Amino acid sequence: EAQVTQNPRYLITVTGKKLTVTCSQNMNHEYMSWYRQDPGLGLRQIYYSMNVEVTDKGDVPEGYKVSRKEKRNFPLILESPSPNQTSLYFCASSLTRGARGNQPQHFGDGTRLSIL
Amino acid sequence: AQKITQTQPGMFVQEKEAVTLDCTYDTSDPSYGLFWYKQPSSGEMIFLIYQGSYDQQNATEGRYSLNFQKARKSANLVISASQLGDSAMYFCAMREGRGYQKVTFGTGTKLQVIP
Repeated sequence: EAQVTQNPRYLITVTGKKLTVTCSQNMNHEYMSWYRQDPGLGLRQIYYSMNVEVTDKGDVPEGYKVSRKEKRNFPLILESPSPNQTSLYFCASSLTRGARGNQPQHFGDGTRLSIL
Repeated sequence: AQKITQTQPGMFVQEKEAVTLDCTYDTSDPSYGLFWYKQPSSGEMIFLIYQGSYDQQNATEGRYSLNFQKARKSANLVISASQLGDSAMYFCAMREGRGYQKVTFGTGTKLQVIP
């Protein structure tokens, strides 16, 4: 089954304790992206990756890091989490090669992070 | 300026009636894609429909259609014959940039279908 898998689904942690949210897709997609969803703000793009070793900042990258060492994986790293990073996080992937921007993103089920 | 604007935080519609959810966008890029996603209370994001900036005809997918008015920069979603299962948050989104890598979402519209 084609899917984007995020782990963990839920996490409560404390300020300053490094954490990683994993994201893996099995569709051989070049493009992957991370979003955070906050009430009243919709989804905002944190980082995206066009392919292996190619990453770039989205609209709200502060406090986050990413890496793309393999095509299928795109982890989101919070080196020193703070309470304002409490949010619902989504990973998504899509094709890009040969596309005309008409590729919908496939989303993971989301990770709810609470930073105390 | 907001790149994607959804001006209706919440809407009600009677079951079996049609409803239009508004979306306006702002970009200087001639090539872009517009998407609508549905987010039920369970939280997953479900792709509904796509419209490309160069598409001449309005997109349709089953009960969903997109009223694309390029000059007005609007891409409204029309849901015909509403069902109770249509109750959800609906997000308009735009992909732009050389590789369509930049993605912007609107703030969403919460639709409630009344029996």
